[in-house]
Amino acid sequence: AQSVAQPEDQVNVAEGNPLTVKCTYSVSGNPYLFWYVQYPNRGLQFLLKYITGDNLVKGSYGFEAEFNKSQTSFHLKKPSALVSDSALYFCAPRGSQGNLIFGKGTKLSVKP
Amino acid sequence: DSGVTQTPKHLITATGQRVTLRCSPRSGDLSVYWYQQSLDQGLQFLIQYYNGEERAKGNILERFSAQQFPDLHSELNLSSLELGDSALYFCASSVETGGRADTQYFGPGTRLTVL
Repeated sequence: AQSVAQPEDQVNVAEGNPLTVKCTYSVSGNPYLFWYVQYPNRGLQFLLKYITGDNLVKGSYGFEAEFNKSQTSFHLKKPSALVSDSALYFCAPRGSQGNLIFGKGTKLSVKP
Repeated sequence: DSGVTQTPKHLITATGQRVTLRCSPRSGDLSVYWYQQSLDQGLQFLIQYYNGEERAKGNILERFSAQQFPDLHSELNLSSLELGDSALYFCASSVETGGRADTQYFGPGTRLTVL
């Protein structure tokens, strides 16, 4: 079965500190992995994706993600968090039908 | 702005009614996906259309249907509405060049409230 897990419902960090939002996945075949961010009452914004190649993927707004095949993980990171990064983050592998598979998401709260 | 538009932004209706949600994909994108986001179920895939044809089906109820028109806009029809259908409905579009690497770009969503 194809699935995704974000083990933390909420992550709290102080502004200026590094942040990590964890994601593990289970898909058949080669994984295509995406991160999206959702601000309140808004649609999902694409941050970055892993298709193949370098395990460290760089994306929008200073975010990056590390793909680890052996641990089936794709953690989202940022070296220095901003208050404006506070939002709901979704890790989403691409399913065999082409659709994105979403978990419950992780709420990131960055305090000044 | 993703380039995907959805109308209306908000919809309030009563149980038993029928509504139509509209989505216009990004210029050049042939594929449209519909997703439902609710507190109970999270984000769920409903259905995909590619260049006018249904391509994949997810957890879409029989009371729901969709279509994609020749100009590539798509409509999601929800009928015999129940309280539990209250949710945010998103459409996403992608180029769909044949692989699964294409990014899906999401619209702002339609918030449906069933009273």
